[in-house]
Amino acid sequence: NAGVTQTPKFQVLKTGQSMTLQCAQDMNHNSMYWYRQDPGMGLRLIYYSASEGTTDKGEVPDGYNVSRLKKQNFLLGLESAAPSQTSVYFCASKGELGSNQPQHFGDGTRLSIL
Amino acid sequence: GQQLNQSPQSMFIQEGEDVSMNCTSSSIFNTWLWYKQDPGEGPVLLIALYKAGELTSNGRLTAQFGITRKDSFLNISASIPSDVGIYFCAGHSGGSNYKLTFGKGTLLTVNP
Repeated sequence: NAGVTQTPKFQVLKTGQSMTLQCAQDMNHNSMYWYRQDPGMGLRLIYYSASEGTTDKGEVPDGYNVSRLKKQNFLLGLESAAPSQTSVYFCASKGELGSNQPQHFGDGTRLSIL
Repeated sequence: GQQLNQSPQSMFIQEGEDVSMNCTSSSIFNTWLWYKQDPGEGPVLLIALYKAGELTSNGRLTAQFGITRKDSFLNISASIPSDVGIYFCAGHSGGSNYKLTFGKGTLLTVNP
């Protein structure tokens, strides 16, 4: 049972470079989420997707873009990486829309921007 | 936006001791969740609470949904070294998007 799989697990970028963080879930979940985790800040929502083809901004969306072309995949893009985006990024998914099913998390992508 | 105050920020205890941590909110939540995060891994759900006043146990863990719907606590009894990690509370206030608000976490260290 893979659950939520994030790739890559680690990445180092130079300022200004672009990259895409990938998230895949095999639980047929409708909703998917991207968070960033910084020391002392807990988890903050970047973007979420309630269903395939839809996305919405979360608490800290600036500098990021997302794509949900397939139900099982949710991509997080950094067009021009900045040192302030150094963080641990977590993807999560949840079952039926509107239900009380909790979110399930991947193991994270540790991203460093130099 | 909604804020969760989680306390304490960190705890250092001896193996076998009981632990208590709590979260308070400035607004009402319909669901409270407690997650644990081990180093290098993502948060893992421990307990989910769906009704005000609900008291739920999962092994040595017990959590309660406060009757005001603005707070929740998590207790760990007879702590063991593998309880080490960061514990997060999270709340959901309603709506179909199911956005969660997370506390900043409680770092638990257990001394064998």
